[in-house]
Amino acid sequence: AQTVTQSQPEMSVQEAETVTLSCTYDTSENNYYLFWYKQPPSRQMILVIRQEAYKQQNATENRFSVNFQKAAKSFSLKISDSQLGDTAMYFCAFMAKDDKIIFGKGTRLHILP
Amino acid sequence: DADVTQTPRNRITKTGKRIMLECSQTKGHDRMYWYRQDPGLGLRLIYYSFDVKDINKGEISDGYSVSRQAQAKFSLSLESAIPNQTALYFCATSDGGFTEAFFGQGTRLTVV
Repeated sequence: AQTVTQSQPEMSVQEAETVTLSCTYDTSENNYYLFWYKQPPSRQMILVIRQEAYKQQNATENRFSVNFQKAAKSFSLKISDSQLGDTAMYFCAFMAKDDKIIFGKGTRLHILP
Repeated sequence: DADVTQTPRNRITKTGKRIMLECSQTKGHDRMYWYRQDPGLGLRLIYYSFDVKDINKGEISDGYSVSRQAQAKFSLSLESAIPNQTALYFCATSDGGFTEAFFGQGTRLTVV
């Protein structure tokens, strides 16, 4: 069974700094997708970024980028020039060909003014 | 209007009561999911469905049942609610084929 592990329950950084959130996963599949979702205090789940396992190039969306290390089964999220609006819970998620989506336990990120 | 709509948004119910959480979507997706979110535990999969006749248990299905009334509707029922079912419940949809999930606004359920 696939598992997703986020080892940082909570983090705080100063505004404008760069922060990296860690995620590791376990699977025997070769083809899969990985996602990062953001959950602000409004509790809405918002897709931040996604990565296809067969693509070696790391995905980037504006200030958000990932470091995908397939052999190490690692999928970290880097937020550059962090903003107060980035304060949220962040969830790493995994989807394989069975279309089940498995989530990690989340990292609560605080951006401090 | 939201693409994935959950009703109710908040609900307080008593132990032993039957309660149904409803989800409807206008995205035309085949895949629908029910998740439960608890502090420190993330989102855990309760049930998922790939079409009206294909319903599957997730990792924490005990105490829950579901009904896929149509492609666009997927309901979650608690037959006899208990306090440890107090949680935030999310419905999600996906088009499959490695596409992302789209979430409803969540239902905050409190069982007293």
